Amino acid sequence: DTEVTQTPKHLVMGMTNKKSLKCEQHMGHRAMYWYKQKAKKPPELMFVYSYEKLSINESVPSRFSPECPNSSLLNLHLHALQPEDSALYLCASSQLLAGANEQFFGPGTRLTVL
Amino acid sequence: GESVGLHLPTLSVQEGDNSIINCAYSNSASDYFIWYKQESGKGPQFIIDIRSNMDKRQGQRVTVLLNKTVKHLSLQIAATQPGDSAVYFCAGGIGDGGYNKLIFGAGTRLAVHP
Repeated sequence: DTEVTQTPKHLVMGMTNKKSLKCEQHMGHRAMYWYKQKAKKPPELMFVYSYEKLSINESVPSRFSPECPNSSLLNLHLHALQPEDSALYLCASSQLLAGANEQFFGPGTRLTVL
Repeated sequence: GESVGLHLPTLSVQEGDNSIINCAYSNSASDYFIWYKQESGKGPQFIIDIRSNMDKRQGQRVTVLLNKTVKHLSLQIAATQPGDSAVYFCAGGIGDGGYNKLIFGAGTRLAVHP
């Protein structure tokens, strides 16, 4: 299984809602990532988990709360988002191995905040 | 600061021609570089990578060239096909053996015409 899956594919939420994005991989990767991608822009790193521990937070607002409950799952909890948070949210995973640089990306969740 | 950028936002080629997508980077701290392909509605897909101590690497129909003197990276696609139409991102990566931090360039849209 060389796939990263993300659910839901699409999400529409109001500014007062609480929702969660989910990401799953069964490749045995111990590094997992969240990226945000605005239209016609490159992905921007948000969070990195290594061995289920948060390693990098790229100064992301606290209305985004990541969680890595186990080595296969990565969640992104959303609360009190703003319309400018509307974007494609991508999850990725990689091995923690010298020379294994590839990050495998999921198809993303397209989020619209009303 | 770290940044990775592209010379051309769009590239149009005829089917069967060779394509060259260019990328400039400003920071020499990257341990490696990766080219990703992103089709509409999908996550980025790994194409090829090159370590910073190399100047050329070949894959199937693709070649990546790295010129550290002028901080320039290129992706050559031989015999371009309609299925190659996508947005191509270069990314500089830091980290080897641990989690990888990728910084993406702006992206080039490749349009292949029959």
